Amino acid sequence: DAGITQSPRHKVTETGTPVTLRCHQTENHRYMYWYRQDPGHGLRLIHYSYGVKDTDKGEVSDGYSVSRSKTEDFLLTLESATSSQTSVYFCAISERAQGGETQYFGPGTRLLVL
Amino acid sequence: AQSVTQPDIHITVSEGASLELRCNYSYGATPYLFWYVQSPGQGLQLLLKYFSGDTLVQGIKGFEAEFKRSQSSFNLRKPSVHWSDAAEYFCAVGAFKAAGNKLTFGGGTRVLVKP
Repeated sequence: DAGITQSPRHKVTETGTPVTLRCHQTENHRYMYWYRQDPGHGLRLIHYSYGVKDTDKGEVSDGYSVSRSKTEDFLLTLESATSSQTSVYFCAISERAQGGETQYFGPGTRLLVL
Repeated sequence: AQSVTQPDIHITVSEGASLELRCNYSYGATPYLFWYVQSPGQGLQLLLKYFSGDTLVQGIKGFEAEFKRSQSSFNLRKPSVHWSDAAEYFCAVGAFKAAGNKLTFGGGTRVLVKP
């Protein structure tokens, strides 16, 4: 358990509405990540952060924005949700030990866009 | 660009039998390699990882994996499967950079355990 919580855990929304998912960590990790999981694709990186106010795009960033105003919180925003953004979203932190970086994941948020 | 292939989408194995899950990766330098497991409706749990050194790595729940650079593979094994091993397994490759270690995942292998 890397002290990661995600909220909400489940959300149903309508096409065109904005949605914000929150990732909260309690162990002062510098790196945080947002992934989406879809059948057959494993997990794909949306955005990541390497410090407060420092973020960068991942593989599937179109339609998503992020913000990190304090170390413990990393927010993922869908400005105008579409049905293709129906997915399970996972937050992760990165911890350096034993000569490398290991990512640990939160419990996930299941999002349905109608 | 890095990529990961898990050739088997589904595997069915009898309880007590051995299990091997295949993972092939593409990466231009020495990779960081990981196996994660996901039970239905749950998050991802780290099974094991390879950074360097001994190419046979031991993980939790009796799993092990072997890094073979010549074959660009990192296959996961367990000698005797338990019913609780039914889950989806993901292989991932990482590249350490100053701005974070971005992981690329394979599509996953779903394991079904028969009694």
